[in-house]
Amino acid sequence: EAGVAQSPRYKIIEKRQSVAFWCNPISGHATLYWYQQILGQGPKLLIQFQNNGVVDDSQLPKDRFSAERLKGVDSTLKIQPAKLEDSAVYLCASSSLGQARNTEAFFGQGTRLTVV
Amino acid sequence: KNEVEQSPQNLTAQEGEFITINCSYSVGISALHWLQQHPGGGIVSLFMLSSGKKKHGRLIATINIQEKHSSLHITASHPRDSAVYICAVGTSGSRLTFGEGTQLTVNP
Repeated sequence: EAGVAQSPRYKIIEKRQSVAFWCNPISGHATLYWYQQILGQGPKLLIQFQNNGVVDDSQLPKDRFSAERLKGVDSTLKIQPAKLEDSAVYLCASSSLGQARNTEAFFGQGTRLTVV
Repeated sequence: KNEVEQSPQNLTAQEGEFITINCSYSVGISALHWLQQHPGGGIVSLFMLSSGKKKHGRLIATINIQEKHSSLHITASHPRDSAVYICAVGTSGSRLTFGEGTQLTVNP
């Protein structure tokens, strides 16, 4: 079974530039998550999709961050404009949320963003 | 106070030692996850448990629901076990809340 795919693996941009990350979840997984992990901290949920609908985006800085999941499969996360404090690893995860609530989440390799 | 607390933050061990990483949480959970993160950033799920104990190879995870506490044990530790170990709890709506992680270094 193919895992969660993310691209790019690394990205360096200047502040005020824009950047986009892409995630392809495991086939058939209805739930997709984007997390931000700042160095030395645990991941923080940015947004959770159930199919192509947003379940939770309460911690997404909506003035500069946006995400979409077209057709309930792939997802993109965009930052515009980027700030220095956005430097972090952006992790995508997916899970098959069915009748059972205790479902394992599978993570991608992450995209390491450096804003200079 | 974070909803998920891990200890220790950093742990250095010699190869072969028995290692314990602790996780305490303050919210009601549906399940607790132990995750491993290597320097490249990718995260691998080690265990998902809601009661009792699970074992996989040299790794053992236990959870005490009444005490809201879980432990991850590594027996006969090896340098390749060096990684960040993260405890995460699943709450309502399948949302995961993460601890800060424990950086484990196993020296040969």
